[in-house]
Amino acid sequence: GAGVSQSPSNKVTEKGKDVELRCDPISGHTALYWYRQRLGQGLEFLIYFQGNSAPDKSGLPSDRFSAERTGESVSTLTIQRTQQEDSAVYLCASATVGGGLFFGSGTQLSVL
Amino acid sequence: AQSVAQPEDQVNVAEGNPLTVKCTYSVSGNPYLFWYVQYPNRGLQFLLKYITGDNLVKGSYGFEAEFNKSQTSFHLKKPSALVSDSALYFCAVRDGPSGTYKYIFGTGTRLKVLA
Repeated sequence: GAGVSQSPSNKVTEKGKDVELRCDPISGHTALYWYRQRLGQGLEFLIYFQGNSAPDKSGLPSDRFSAERTGESVSTLTIQRTQQEDSAVYLCASATVGGGLFFGSGTQLSVL
Repeated sequence: AQSVAQPEDQVNVAEGNPLTVKCTYSVSGNPYLFWYVQYPNRGLQFLLKYITGDNLVKGSYGFEAEFNKSQTSFHLKKPSALVSDSALYFCAVRDGPSGTYKYIFGTGTRLKVLA
């Protein structure tokens, strides 16, 4: 597609449930990033994938968070045993080497 | 470690006046610098970037930014503000070209342009 696509756009879940968020990057973009944006706050880096290199997971806040990417295509961010503090907008972005980030519209996650 | 500071939470400016949104950065190598804008209920949009070359870079919607290596700054500017420029602005830095591919964002500055 023309842009970065994220699904679902909204997700409401109960505390303790697992959720899976999906990101389809722009075709040909070798890098893919996940960020979290809590209400009224800035962007918090979570993880990035660059080609076939090992992902940089340094921003993942706990071992309940994990992410995978299939080649240079789709990525999924999984949050296990969700907590209320996980409520946020989860943003995915893709990029070419040396280029800027192109963001999706995000997934609004609400943990009740 | 990379870091970005946006010292102002909010900037108010009258329509037609020039605007500046400040950003300073810290990286160990040569910086790649970016500005993004976030309109209400919309995703982040790329405005402009500095990789190398001229210190003054021009971007979308009439915005420009000046890279100042000695002051480690990359302030966003526009000669004449519009009410429609009101949004949340984020500065970001990447330690490149040989560094990490991680982009670090500032905390954002809310720009309010008053009619």
